Amino acid sequence: EVQVVESGGGLVQPGGSLRLSCAASGFTFSSYWMCWVRQAPGEGLEWVANIKQDGSERYYVDSVKGRFTISRDNAKDSLYLQMNNLRAEDTAVYYCGRVGATVTTSYYYYYIDVWGKGTTVTVSS
Amino acid sequence: DIQMTQSPSSLSASVGDRVTITCRASQSISSYLNWYQQKPGKAPKLLIYAASSLQSEVPSRFSGSGSGTDFTLTITTLQPEDFATYYCQQSYRAPAAFGQGTKVEIK
Repeated sequence: EVQVVESGGGLVQPGGSLRLSCAASGFTFSSYWMCWVRQAPGEGLEWVANIKQDGSERYYVDSVKGRFTISRDNAKDSLYLQMNNLRAEDTAVYYCGRVGATVTTSYYYYYIDVWGKGTTVTVSS
Repeated sequence: DIQMTQSPSSLSASVGDRVTITCRASQSISSYLNWYQQKPGKAPKLLIYAASSLQSEVPSRFSGSGSGTDFTLTITTLQPEDFATYYCQQSYRAPAAFGQGTKVEIK
């Protein structure tokens, strides 16, 4: 079964750090871009970051640049999100996602086709 | 960054109705547009990618159209299990922003 499972969420004080993990199974992890998406309580989805298959390209939403780092270990089929200097507005459910792709004659179309169940991060004193 | 705006933010509909949700990009994104469905307490589910391609095992009552800046998700013959929140997402350029969501509620 193709799946991703997040872990590492919890309660942390403002200014603190947390490292999220995502364990992938059922597919060739090293062949896919991967991403993190978060959802604050009662709010919509917010794309956070993604990382290329070999880790050579990484992109972040402006609100987390300089504080969060996405990384991966292809030998362990695992994705990570290191979160530093956490703020109250980082409180959210964090989803790990597999970025699927469909290739036409000229274009690559990307989408999140496998989602985890999420892990909850609460930033509060 | 590219901004995505959905309308309406919510709507009430009955089983059997035809429902249309609109998504507008702040600049042209060609056909790099995805649609997701999310039910309360659950992870999102991919419905449509590349603006109009139906994801595997998604019912054919879901369809997508549009290109450039204006896109539409249509649900023909709304079913009880379709009451949920729907999100569009652009995949043209990072950050791959989502729209704010459209909640489809039971009338």
